[in-house]
Amino acid sequence: QLQLRESGPGLVKPSETLSLTCTVSGGSISSSSYFWGWIRQPPGKGLEWIASIYSGGSTYYNPSLKSRVTIGVDVSKNQFSLRLYSVTAADTALYYCARDGRPIENWFDPWGQGTLVTVSS
Amino acid sequence: QSVLTQPPSASGTPGQRVTISCSGSSSNIGGTPVAWYQQFPGTAPKLLIYSNNQRPSGVPDRFSGSRSGTSASLAISGLQSDDEANYFCGTWDVTLHVVFGGGTKLTVL
Repeated sequence: QLQLRESGPGLVKPSETLSLTCTVSGGSISSSSYFWGWIRQPPGKGLEWIASIYSGGSTYYNPSLKSRVTIGVDVSKNQFSLRLYSVTAADTALYYCARDGRPIENWFDPWGQGTLVTVSS
Repeated sequence: QSVLTQPPSASGTPGQRVTISCSGSSSNIGGTPVAWYQQFPGTAPKLLIYSNNQRPSGVPDRFSGSRSGTSASLAISGLQSDDEANYFCGTWDVTLHVVFGGGTKLTVL
């Protein structure tokens, strides 16, 4: 059964870089036909897609965040990562990683449990 | 402000059928399949419906989806107390890529 798990610091200072890793188990990123993505959810609010990546390195980004985001993949570790630069309090959110159904389908499944990142000094 | 518009809340009594709408445009719902997610408080979203009306394995057939023009709907029949959750729609947008609705909180009265 495919499982994803986010890891990274729960507290980041304003203007610094948020770095998260998603570890995939129960399946191989490199042999998957799908993308892998990051989605965030501010407390009590809706979902915002951040970026997605294919094992071969193809990426696509949310245009509103693109200038501050880098998504990467490490197939040897079966992991993909997120870096969000110059964070502010508005970046405080639950960050989820998930398998992205593209390019075949439009869905995210399964999702990791999520990790709360707070931006505060 | 979400690209896809959902009512912030919906409610129904046990056994009833409720419908949650998701309104978009020709840039998204009008041209791409819609997915629906169910999220209980404190947990991650779970895929409920994909390709407008397909259910992943394990999702009860009480849940159904449809799309017409630039809108989509999620219907829940035989409402149960366990269905009380937040529901989100999502799809692809030609400009913004992946977009979601703001979510609908379903209350079972």
